[in-house]
This record gives sequence, structure tokens and C-alpha cells, in this order.
Amino acid sequence: DVKVTQSSRYLVKRTGEKVFLECVQDMDHENMFWYRQDPGLGLRLIYFSYDVKMKEKGDIPEGYSVSREKKERFSLILESASTNQTSMYLCASSVHLGQSGYTFGSGTRLTVV
Amino acid sequence: QQQVKQSPQSLIVQKGGISIINCAYENTAFDYFPWYQQFPGKGPALLIAIRPDVSEKKEGRFTISFNKSAKQFSLHIMDSQPGDSATYFCAASTGFQKLVFGTGTRLLVSP
Repeated sequence: DVKVTQSSRYLVKRTGEKVFLECVQDMDHENMFWYRQDPGLGLRLIYFSYDVKMKEKGDIPEGYSVSREKKERFSLILESASTNQTSMYLCASSVHLGQSGYTFGSGTRLTVV
Repeated sequence: QQQVKQSPQSLIVQKGGISIINCAYENTAFDYFPWYQQFPGKGPALLIAIRPDVSEKKEGRFTISFNKSAKQFSLHIMDSQPGDSATYFCAASTGFQKLVFGTGTRLLVSP
């Protein structure tokens, strides 16, 4: 069963902390994505990567960075967590950027206090 | 032009009824239109997808209707069941561009 695994289901962090969210896929997909999901705002793309070490900004990259050192792993980094980054974070991967389904992880609910 | 507008934001349907969720787009280059289903505590999962060379695609109780001239597509859930209660997202893409998602519809099917 193909999977996208997010390392943490729930996280509570303090304002100003550096936060790492990890995502691993076992499908050998080229493309990986980080979204945040907030009520009424749907899925908003933070960053995506179409190859190892390659990344592109999504719609809301401010306050975030990413790292993809290996094909199967895509990390989202909150450089200095703020309360407005409290959200559900979803990782996804896909074979093609736009012509195939995305496989999502179960999400990490991050609370910044 | 890259937006996909989804409606309604929420929907309550009685068991056995038909649930209808609509999406509209502006970019005529879009050529792939998937729908995702998300249960509470889970990530979205691909439900059904259509390409613009057909006007309808059916998988079980789920049907996508596609109207190219109106630039609209919709998801119909026939004989809706309480287990269908979830959030549904439409999306669209073109060529090598990433998916653009709608804002989601929260469906509640009452017993």
C-alpha cells in the first residue's frame, strides 16, 4: 500500500521556536508538496519540489522554508514559529505535477502557543 | 484566472438524497479535473477525475458532470449515505502545472 507518512500527528510548539515537519513517501514520486489547511480557506500551497534539491514557492511561502535532500523526504521548516502558523499541515506527492492524482499524508496539526 | 471556485461551502443532505457540489473555472487550458474526499483526521484522497473529452464519468454512486462551454464541473453523489459525510475538494490543472484546488465543501448526510 503506497504511502505518504508525516512524522507527527500533533505538535505543540512555542512562539519563536524553529519547527521541522517531516514527510516521507515510498512511491518514488518526483513531486512533493506542502499545504496548510484552515477552515474556510481550503488547501493553500506553501512550497513544492519537483526534484531532489529543487523547490519552488507556492502561494503562501512567507515564514516557511523547505528541504529535499533525498527523493523520498521533504521537510517543511518554520524558521520562527508564530501563532498565525497554527494550522493543519498536509504533505503530498505525485508522479506528475498536474496530470495525476496527489497522494496525501494524514496531516500534522501544529499548535503554536 | 488560475482560480477554481467551489460551491456551496457546506451542504446538508438527507440519507438517500442526491448531493451536488459545483465548481467553476476560467482557464480554458485546464485539462484535468479531479475530486478529492477528506474524512476528519485524514488527508484528502483522490475520489474520481475527468478529462474534458467526455461530459460525464461515473464510478459507483459518484458522477462527475463536465460542461466545457460553461467552464463548470460538478460532483453528484447519488443515494447519499452518512458514510459520505466528508469535505470534498475539486481541483484543476493544465499540462505540467500543479493542481489548483477549490476551497472545499463540507457535506453532512443526515440519517
